Amino acid sequence: AQKVTQAQTEISVVEKEDVTLDCVYETRDTTYYLFWYKQPPSGELVFLIRRNSFDEQNEISGRYSWNFQKSTSSFNFTITASQVVDSAVYFCALSAASNDYKLSFGAGTTVTVRA
Amino acid sequence: DAGVTQSPTHLIKTRGQQVTLRCSPKSGHDTVSWYQQALGQGPQFIFQYYEEEERQRGNFPDRFSGHQFPNYSSELNVNALLLGDSALYLCASSVLEGEQYFGPGTRLTVT
Repeated sequence: AQKVTQAQTEISVVEKEDVTLDCVYETRDTTYYLFWYKQPPSGELVFLIRRNSFDEQNEISGRYSWNFQKSTSSFNFTITASQVVDSAVYFCALSAASNDYKLSFGAGTTVTVRA
Repeated sequence: DAGVTQSPTHLIKTRGQQVTLRCSPKSGHDTVSWYQQALGQGPQFIFQYYEEEERQRGNFPDRFSGHQFPNYSSELNVNALLLGDSALYLCASSVLEGEQYFGPGTRLTVT
């Protein structure tokens, strides 16, 4: 069975602060994929990143960066110099072969960036 | 290139009624997945359609059924609506086992 835990329910920061979102996952598969999605108030899930289990290299995309650590089963997401437009719910998700690559989502972390 | 579209945007139904939600996939995608997202929770997988057949199913009762058409569009049907079916229903399209792109969702309210 797959499980994704996002322990932080809500995070509130002031603009330009950095914010890190935690994601811990469980799976027995050796091949799996990890994802982050952003859900703004409009409701649409916006794909941010996909990482496969064999690629532990950290990734940076603009103000976004991701830290994948298999040893601790974590895939954390950092927003640097946050902006008001970053306010949204962020979901971490997992898919694996044993689950036919169905997406299993965490409960989400609500990020509020105050001006 | 249009992304994933869903209709209607909002819907209000009464307990016991039936509802049909629609999804048109992104161009080039042949697989459609449906998710239910209750307020304050992450999306839960309902089922996936590929080649007009249900390929996978999550832990949802038979009241939830679907269909995929030859043009890859899809419908989600829910019978005998319960108050607990109130949620945002998200459709995602992809090529088989590829990245899923989500539509804006249909907000269903059951009274």
